[in-house]
Amino acid sequence: GQQLNQSPQSMFIQEGEDVSMNCTSSSIFNTWLWYKQDPGEGPVLLIALYKAGELTSNGRLTAQFGITRKDSFLNISASIPSDVGIYFCAGHPYYNFNKFYFGSGTKLNVKP
Amino acid sequence: DSGVTQTPKHLITATGQRVTLRCSPRSGDLSVYWYQQSLDQGLQFLIQYYNGEERAKGNILERFSAQQFPDLHSELNLSSLELGDSALYFCASSVAFPGTGELFFGEGSRLTVL
Repeated sequence: GQQLNQSPQSMFIQEGEDVSMNCTSSSIFNTWLWYKQDPGEGPVLLIALYKAGELTSNGRLTAQFGITRKDSFLNISASIPSDVGIYFCAGHPYYNFNKFYFGSGTKLNVKP
Repeated sequence: DSGVTQTPKHLITATGQRVTLRCSPRSGDLSVYWYQQSLDQGLQFLIQYYNGEERAKGNILERFSAQQFPDLHSELNLSSLELGDSALYFCASSVAFPGTGELFFGEGSRLTVL
């Protein structure tokens, strides 16, 4: 199946630091979305991007749909302890909009 | 609360057994997705239904099957269980198919096979 490569796999940061993670694909994607999974919960949508170059913010979170349509990044500014969790990128590849794939996730740990 | 309900929350069973996981989508959502998440792994897409019909299939084993009923709830059947089937199984729903990618996830069913 389609591979969405997320990096880094995990991060350990201090509260207050900014965080950056990204997601790349070998294929062009029509949509890029970012989800967060809190421990013991199901993933929740954070940001959805539908156009190449689109930059969207949601509070302290900012995500961009890469110009090549093969990548996306998510930034979190001024991290707080409740940012802890696993962040997944996801999207629809151009060759089959019926498919929807998730990346392998970036595990974020925030030290108070 | 996402509005998606999954039962049971936890299930412990033995190898070779069969289990059924149930999912009730959000009110008004016609599309149901099933995902498997093994320990510290990503979300593996299993299968998707829209308004009772199978619409997309991922890496679902032949020992697994699913269906969506007329009232839109869905069941995932796992048979001849193996140790490696131990995982969190998530159901998600969305309004349309293929949709925008905005999925609403349940809290998952944690399956432990001993």
